[in-house]
Amino acid sequence: EVQLVESGGDLVEPGGSLRLSCTASGAPIRNYAMNWVRQAPGKGLEWISYINNSGKGTYYADSVKGRFTISRDNARNSLYLQMNSLRAGDTAMYYCVSSALAIVAKFDDWGQGTLVIVSS
Amino acid sequence: DIHLTQAPSSLSAAVGDRVTITCRASQNINKYLNWYQQKPGKAPKLLIHSASNLQTGVPSRFSGSGSGADFTLTLSGLQPEDFASYYCQQSFTFPRTFGQGTKLEIK
Repeated sequence: EVQLVESGGDLVEPGGSLRLSCTASGAPIRNYAMNWVRQAPGKGLEWISYINNSGKGTYYADSVKGRFTISRDNARNSLYLQMNSLRAGDTAMYYCVSSALAIVAKFDDWGQGTLVIVSS
Repeated sequence: DIHLTQAPSSLSAAVGDRVTITCRASQNINKYLNWYQQKPGKAPKLLIHSASNLQTGVPSRFSGSGSGADFTLTLSGLQPEDFASYYCQQSFTFPRTFGQGTKLEIK
């Protein structure tokens, strides 16, 4: 089990940028693929990005492709999400989520979330 | 993209009841289906993976079944702590997608 703590959420104006961080403890994240999942207020869960354990493979939801960039630093046991050209629709709680290597990928451990509010 | 449709969107039940939540995929996803529980103000928690495998530490009153495109989450003998929202999620392909959620409320 890995413990995950997100940070970096804030109030930002439309068109602005923000960088979210996720720090892991309890296990080296080099053994895990990592994801960002978000949840708008009162809404359901939306997966937005994935990065494999080496950092050389990434995927994005269409809603963030070209605006968000996922990255990781295994030496620092950290995951990041660079968010550019933010829109009101990006307002959400953002969760850092680990996926242990398995035949059926699953979202094993979740952080407590960091809140991003995009508003003028 | 694979679309997941959960039913019902909400339901009311009493402590001790047995409830079933369904999740239908827009295409065959074999057994690449997971279930999560989320309580208000908290992060989701993995309950069932690979359609029917109970995650370590999850009570045995939770069970999952199905394969292909139709899946079921069953809660037998509801406890007060089970009243929460439940989501299915597919890992067959990218983008990963979730069902819209089912809110389980106390009757």
